[in-house]
Amino acid sequence: EVQLVESGGGLIQPGGSLRLSCAASGFTVSSNYMSWVRQAPGKGLEWVSVIYSGGSTYYADSVKGRFTISRDNSKNTLYLQMNSLRAEDTAVYYCARLAAEFYYGMDVWGQGTTVTVSS
Amino acid sequence: SYELTQPPSVSVSPGQTARITCSGDALPKQYAYWYQQKPGQAPVLVIYKDSERPSGIPERFSGSSSGTTVTLTISGVQAEDEADYYCQSADSSGTIWVFGGGTKLTVL
Repeated sequence: EVQLVESGGGLIQPGGSLRLSCAASGFTVSSNYMSWVRQAPGKGLEWVSVIYSGGSTYYADSVKGRFTISRDNSKNTLYLQMNSLRAEDTAVYYCARLAAEFYYGMDVWGQGTTVTVSS
Repeated sequence: SYELTQPPSVSVSPGQTARITCSGDALPKQYAYWYQQKPGQAPVLVIYKDSERPSGIPERFSGSSSGTTVTLTISGVQAEDEADYYCQSADSSGTIWVFGGGTKLTVL
């Protein structure tokens, strides 16, 4: 079964760091485009970052320079390193697969992990 | 920064047709995607490549494109279609992905 499972969320103080993980099963992370998407409480979806199969990475302006997307091919896992966290980074963070079959539509999503930035 | 614009809300009665629009300057060059999200759940892809429907998505969901606007149409709306709908695309460079602000579909 194709599945994504996020972990690593929690309560963190402003200025702190957190690393989110997204473990994939049923497909190979490194062969696909993968993305992080977040949703602040009561708000809409916000694209955060993408990593292409070739390794190129791109970020939303709101997180550029603070967040880093990466993957571990041996663990078939996607990561999001989040530094210098701010209150406005509070959200549910989803990882998603961008499937070539669907012209890079996000066809598989995790259940989300909650990040709360507060003192 | 690039933006996609959706109406905040759309309301229809059961059996009617709901149309949700999404506008963006790069839409003539980039594919659009639509996602359905119900409370407490992850989004689900309902339309890709402007107008294609993944298997398992009911035929009443369709998409179209005209210039800088794409439209999600739900024909014969059912109560279970009540959800938030988001369009998504990329900027003209194809490297920055964006979601629209979302449209809450209410089935009266």
